Amino acid sequence: GAGVSQSPSNKVTEKGKDVELRCDPISGHTALYWYRQSLGQGLEFLIYFQGNSAPDKSGLPSDRFSAERTGGSVSTLTIQRTQQEDSAVYLCASSVWGQGGEQYFGPGTRLTVT
Amino acid sequence: AQKVTQAQTEISVVEKEDVTLDCVYETRDTTYYLFWYKQPPSGELVFLIRRNSFDEQNEISGRYSWNFQKSTSSFNFTITASQVVDSAVYFCALSLYRRGGKLIFGQGTELSVKP
Repeated sequence: GAGVSQSPSNKVTEKGKDVELRCDPISGHTALYWYRQSLGQGLEFLIYFQGNSAPDKSGLPSDRFSAERTGGSVSTLTIQRTQQEDSAVYLCASSVWGQGGEQYFGPGTRLTVT
Repeated sequence: AQKVTQAQTEISVVEKEDVTLDCVYETRDTTYYLFWYKQPPSGELVFLIRRNSFDEQNEISGRYSWNFQKSTSSFNFTITASQVVDSAVYFCALSLYRRGGKLIFGQGTELSVKP
């Protein structure tokens, strides 16, 4: 079956602009996670969705970051007023259930802020 | 606090050698899960294994084996008879049942298998 998909695969934006990153999880997976991977910080958790609600937003680095999930499926991560330190690969993962189920990752969106 | 440590940043072996990747974790929770993921040069994280904190049984899958020891808080990964295709960055991760399953990753070990 289809895996997790993310779009765009690459995004170059100017500092100060807003960006939206999209994640399509595996069908039937109720849990969805966003992470980011950068050279200096490794793999960091951003936010967790169970259905359409986000019980854990503790990893969002600032109020410029927000995310939503609709219909228990697609999720969008929005970064407002991008900064150069936001440059990273943003990864989405989904799981049949939260709380310890194996997570399957998408290919990521490489964000470059110039 | 929860933490995962992969002390080996880079390992280089010659094909057919056995190699062990170390992972040490910290948590005071009693219900947790441990994972290994592989990130090949293509970039996509590939799930390898999941263990829960109540199951210390070692596992073998082909050339891969995992040794989970709660007494030393370790979850080590061994590749037997390594192959060039095993070259990748390997991540160990921890998730806590009470925290919704978010993964806490180690810094990764880059494995290079030379022909």
